[in-house]
Amino acid sequence: AQTVTQSQPEMSVQEAETVTLSCTYDTSESDYYLFWYKQPPSRQMILVIRQEAYKQQNATENRFSVNFQKAAKSFSLKISDSQLGDAAMYFCAYRSAGTDKLIFGTGTRLQVFP
Amino acid sequence: EPEVTQTPSHQVTQMGQEVILRCVPISNHLYFYWYRQILGQKVEFLVSFYNNEISEKSEIFDDQFSVERPDGSNFTLKIRSTKLEDSAMYFCASSEAWDRNYGYTFGSGTRLTVV
Repeated sequence: AQTVTQSQPEMSVQEAETVTLSCTYDTSESDYYLFWYKQPPSRQMILVIRQEAYKQQNATENRFSVNFQKAAKSFSLKISDSQLGDAAMYFCAYRSAGTDKLIFGTGTRLQVFP
Repeated sequence: EPEVTQTPSHQVTQMGQEVILRCVPISNHLYFYWYRQILGQKVEFLVSFYNNEISEKSEIFDDQFSVERPDGSNFTLKIRSTKLEDSAMYFCASSEAWDRNYGYTFGSGTRLTVV
């Protein structure tokens, strides 16, 4: 069975600095998708960034980028120029191609200090 | 930006009672999902729904649970006889057919408290 592990329950960063959130996963499949979701206090899960496993190029979305290491089964999220609004719970998630199910990690709570 | 809307935001129910959680997915989306998050634990998949039938469900989604799209706009999750361990945040999500590999749009959740 696939698993997703986030080993950092909490992280903190100062405004304008860069922070990296870690995620590792375990799978025997070759075709899958990886996601980072943000859950602010409003509780809504917001898609931050996604990565297709077949793509070697790391995904980027403005200040958010990933470091996807397929062989190491690692999928970290880098937030550059951190803003107060980035404070939230961040979840890493995995989905096999051909299934509907997202498998989530336990989350990392990010605090941003002014 | 289009949203997935869930009502109510918080529901308290007595053990053994039936509860219906409601969701209005984004209007042109065709795939619908329910997830739950027990306090302090992982977000877990419950069920996916497409073309008026369940396309996939987890081991959690037993006979106590059912889903329905009663009127073309709402998507509901029914728990027939609630247990204390059903207390959780329940999230609805939806996606377009072509985009479903690329992430869903989630609602803000319904916090269900079973007493």
